[in-house]
Amino acid sequence: AQSVAQPEDQVNVAEGNPLTVKCTYSVSGNPYLFWYVQYPNRGLQFLLKYITGDNLVKGSYGFEAEFNKSQTSFHLKKPSALVSDSALYFCAVRDPDYKLSFGAGTTVTVRA
Amino acid sequence: GAVVSQHPSWVICKSGTSVKIECRSLDFQATTMFWYRQFPKQSLMLMATSNEGSKATYEQGVEKDKFLINHASLTLSTLTVTSAHPEDSSFYICSASVDYYNEQFFGPGTRLTVL
Repeated sequence: AQSVAQPEDQVNVAEGNPLTVKCTYSVSGNPYLFWYVQYPNRGLQFLLKYITGDNLVKGSYGFEAEFNKSQTSFHLKKPSALVSDSALYFCAVRDPDYKLSFGAGTTVTVRA
Repeated sequence: GAVVSQHPSWVICKSGTSVKIECRSLDFQATTMFWYRQFPKQSLMLMATSNEGSKATYEQGVEKDKFLINHASLTLSTLTVTSAHPEDSSFYICSASVDYYNEQFFGPGTRLTVL
């Protein structure tokens, strides 16, 4: 079965510093990977996805993610974090039957 | 584009009553809609997949008689929680897709509290 793991429950960074949210995956075949962000009491907002092609994927709000096949990772990054980036981030993988399986989520807190 | 709405955004009901949650795709036709449940500080768990004009497919462990899903049109799916109990209190999120194989767009969620 396809799955993703987010090893960190929480990530805390200072505004202006780089932000990294980690995700590792376990799939059979080619991985279809996604990152979503959720603000309190809101649904999920799509940030970016990796289907194929370049290992560095650029997404919304200045986020990017690096697909690393040898390390089976798909870490989300932002060069300079903003206080408004404080939210809950989910990594997800699409199963062969097209359903999404989500990681446990990582709470990001960016302090001013 | 690709906007999905949910109504209501929050609802409080008494134990034993039924509650209907609507999920609408506002600017595209959604052949497939998904219903998720999310407990506080936890991930999303897929409850069921609905395809327009056909019966929903429920995930293992989800009671189909308790969580009734109707996908009667290409822009509307409803989730009815029947005979709700306090343990049904949760955040329910829907997503919609042009078809089963394409990207899912998520609604803002509905907070259900059963007293």
